[in-house]
Amino acid sequence: DSGVTQTPKHLITATGQRVTLRCSPRSGDLSVYWYQQSLDQGLQFLIQYYNGEERAKGNILERFSAQQFPDLHSELNLSSLELGDSALYFCASSAQLGVTGELFFGEGSRLTVL
Amino acid sequence: AQSVAQPEDQVNVAEGNPLTVKCTYSVSGNPYLFWYVQYPNRGLQFLLKYITGDNLVKGSYGFEAEFNKSQTSFHLKKPSALVSDSALYFCAVFTSGTYKYIFGTGTRLKVLA
Repeated sequence: DSGVTQTPKHLITATGQRVTLRCSPRSGDLSVYWYQQSLDQGLQFLIQYYNGEERAKGNILERFSAQQFPDLHSELNLSSLELGDSALYFCASSAQLGVTGELFFGEGSRLTVL
Repeated sequence: AQSVAQPEDQVNVAEGNPLTVKCTYSVSGNPYLFWYVQYPNRGLQFLLKYITGDNLVKGSYGFEAEFNKSQTSFHLKKPSALVSDSALYFCAVFTSGTYKYIFGTGTRLKVLA
């Protein structure tokens, strides 16, 4: 158990809909990362937050947004969903910025868009 | 731009034989390199990392990796493979300037009994 909790584990929805994925980082970790894992595209970095502030952005679509709350949990919002958004979405946390520690991953949220 | 390449989509090895999973990187500045393993329907788990110091890094489950600066490589190795090592392996690089962890595309390791 990595200590990172993601909900929901599975989600099935229709095109055009909006969903919210939630992540609780390990206790004490200030940094949260979101990744998308598709079958044919490996692990794509979406966005990173540190202590409530956005610190780095990757290949995140404009239809997607995220935030980190004062209690350090994070949410990834996906809107106007398309079939191609079907993927496994991972959240990971690490202790501090600038400390080259490893990431701790949640079990992922599997999104299926029909 | 930082990048990581895993040139092999899949590696097959017989149980008991040594295994190598390849990784090369391209970064500006000092590279901080990681290996993760993903079992089916699970999140990624940390195996080992290179930050500085000895080029041979030892990690979990008997895995080790060799950092080679001149070849910009960080290959994962294990002297004797187990069937239970079969999984998806990811190499990643972190650069302190961007605070990003960039992952390779993954290599599926199949250890055959």
